[in-house]
Amino acid sequence: QVQLQESGPGLVKPSETLSLTCTVSGYSISSAYYWGWIRQPPGEGLEWIASIYHSGSTNYNPSLKSRVTMSVDTSKNQFSLKLTSVTAADTAVYYCARDVGGGANDCWGQGTLVTVSS
Amino acid sequence: QSALTQPASVSGSPGQSITISCTGTSSDVGGFNLVSWYQHYPGKAPKLMIFEDSKRPSGVSNRFSGSKSGNTASLTISGLQAEDEADYYCCSYASSISLVFGGGTKLTVL
Repeated sequence: QVQLQESGPGLVKPSETLSLTCTVSGYSISSAYYWGWIRQPPGEGLEWIASIYHSGSTNYNPSLKSRVTMSVDTSKNQFSLKLTSVTAADTAVYYCARDVGGGANDCWGQGTLVTVSS
Repeated sequence: QSALTQPASVSGSPGQSITISCTGTSSDVGGFNLVSWYQHYPGKAPKLMIFEDSKRPSGVSNRFSGSKSGNTASLTISGLQAEDEADYYCCSYASSISLVFGGGTKLTVL
C-alpha cells in the first residue's frame, strides 16, 4: 500500500522560504510516475503547484514558477518543495501526491498546514 | 492559466442523480482526454474518482461517471447517498505542461 507523508515547519515568516518534504512508503519513487504538490488556501479551492518525474524532470505552475523548486532524493524515497519569498497568500494546506499520468493523482498525503506569519 | 469553472454548489435528494459541470478551454479540457475528478471531505485527503475523462479507478462506485463535450466535462453521481456530500473538484492537463483545477463544487444531499 502506497503511503505519502508531508513534513516541514508549520509556520514560516514572510519573505522567507517554505520547505516541505514528502516521504513515500510502499513504492519506489525512482520506478515511475510523477510526484507533486498541491495546496488549498483556507476557504479556497485546490491549486496545483508542481510535479517532478521519477527521472527528475520538473513541471511548475506558471504563476508560481519563479519561486518554486522541486527535487527528489531517491536514496530516502522522498521528494521536496521549496517556495521562496512567501507571503500570507501562501498560507495553505499543502498536499503531496502521486500522479500516475495526465493529472490522475491516485495517492495523497494527509496534508500539512503551513501558515505564513511574523 | 485560469481555474476551470465549476458551479459553487449543487444539491439533490437521496436516490436522485446530479451532474457537476467543469468548463475550460481548448487549451485544457477540450484539448486533451485528461480530465480527472476528486471527492474531498474537509480535513481529509482528496480522493480520485474519475481520470482520463471517464475512467473509474478500482474501488470507486459505478454510481460515479464522467463525460465530456467540447470544452466542458461533467461528473454525474447517480443514486445519490448521504455519504456523497462533499466537495468535488475537476482537474485538467493543460497545454502549458501543467495542471489546472476547478474552483470546486459543494454537493449537498438534502
